[in-house]
Order: sequence, then structure tokens, then C-alpha cells
Amino acid sequence: DADVTQTPRNRITKTGKRIMLECSQTKGHDRMYWYRQDPGLGLRLIYYSFDVKDINKGEISDGYSVSRQAQAKFSLSLESAIPNQTALYFCATAASSYNEQFFGPGTRLTVL
Amino acid sequence: EDKVVQSPLSLVVHEGDTVTLNCSYEVTNFRSLLWYKQEKKAPTFLFMLTSSGIEKKSGRLSSILDKKELFSILNITATQTGDSAVYLCAVSPSGTYKYIFGTGTRLKVLA
Repeated sequence: DADVTQTPRNRITKTGKRIMLECSQTKGHDRMYWYRQDPGLGLRLIYYSFDVKDINKGEISDGYSVSRQAQAKFSLSLESAIPNQTALYFCATAASSYNEQFFGPGTRLTVL
Repeated sequence: EDKVVQSPLSLVVHEGDTVTLNCSYEVTNFRSLLWYKQEKKAPTFLFMLTSSGIEKKSGRLSSILDKKELFSILNITATQTGDSAVYLCAVSPSGTYKYIFGTGTRLKVLA
């Protein structure tokens, strides 16, 4: 079983809809991250969390919100989706004792 | 502003060639530099470098960091078609546990 899972893997939605992307991990890591990837722009950090009571904005948090429901779960919400939020979204985890990040398989989101 | 710049943006080589990918950075209080390989989907970890001048190797891949000149290189020798991917460089500043990614180098290896 994969250590970091994301659901859904693909989603097509319409402008104005509320969307939630979910991430779960079995690695026991305390740090979790959400990134989006756009062609030519690399990975950009949306939000990150060090534990269930700690949420931090990344470089592109506008239009997004997150919830850390448990150590193993970190959800990303788009309250009112817009077309320029069409992208590939990755969740990642890392242990405090080590700096390597582990990525989930990604969610391809299309906003029409 | 923290920044990571990778070059070249893309590269096409033939099997057996050796390639060198570059990553330069400007960050406050450097902690580590990481290299990832991204094929179809999720990036997979290759190396983490924290100390200058110490080469990390894994098979045909190797990487080295120069903290004085603020760059790292990733070398791939005897390239194979399976090396075709986007190679991402990320830097983690100390005190933040964030990662700043470059835009990647797209490598295509022709048979």
C-alpha cells in the first residue's frame, strides 16, 4: 500500500464549486504539505502543517484553505474554484528528524 | 526573496551520453538541497546534500554541493532512455522546514 495517498486522483469541476482534496499518510510523519504544479512553474507551496494545531501559509495560499484533522490527514479546500486553479496538486510529508519529503501520487484538477 | 534556478530548462541527449544538470540558489540560512526525479507523476527522491564538497552517488547518478558558490550539480553518466524525466532541485532554509523548488530540467534521452 502507498505511504501517501491522495483522493480523488482526477477531478473536473465547474467555476464556483467547492472542492476538497484529501491526503492521508501511513508514514507517521508530523509535517505535511500541499503544492500545486503548473507547466513551467515547478512546485509551489500552498500550505504546510507541523502538527494538528499548526497551519502555515505558503507562497500561494490565496483561494485555498486547509484542515489537519489528524496527524495522518491533511485536506485542501477550494472554497469557490476558478479556472486558474486548474493544476496538478501534490501532498507531501516529512519527518521532523529528517529533511526528505515523500510525495503522494497527485490530483489532477480541472476547473471549467 | 528565496530563489532556486535550474539550468538548462530542457536537454536532449543520446543514450550513453553524460549530462550535467545545474541548480543555483539564493536562500537565507541554508539547511539542505534536495534532488528529485519526476517521471509521469509524483517526484521521487534522489539525493539530499547538506555539506559542501561531499559527493553523493547512486549508481550512474551523482551530485555535489558548493555552499560557497551556492550551487549544486547532478551528473548522470551513460544515460539510458529510462533517465528521461524532469529533474527538480529544492532548497530548504533552516528554521522553516519549507522547500523552495526550481522549475526543473526536462531531460530526454533518445535511443
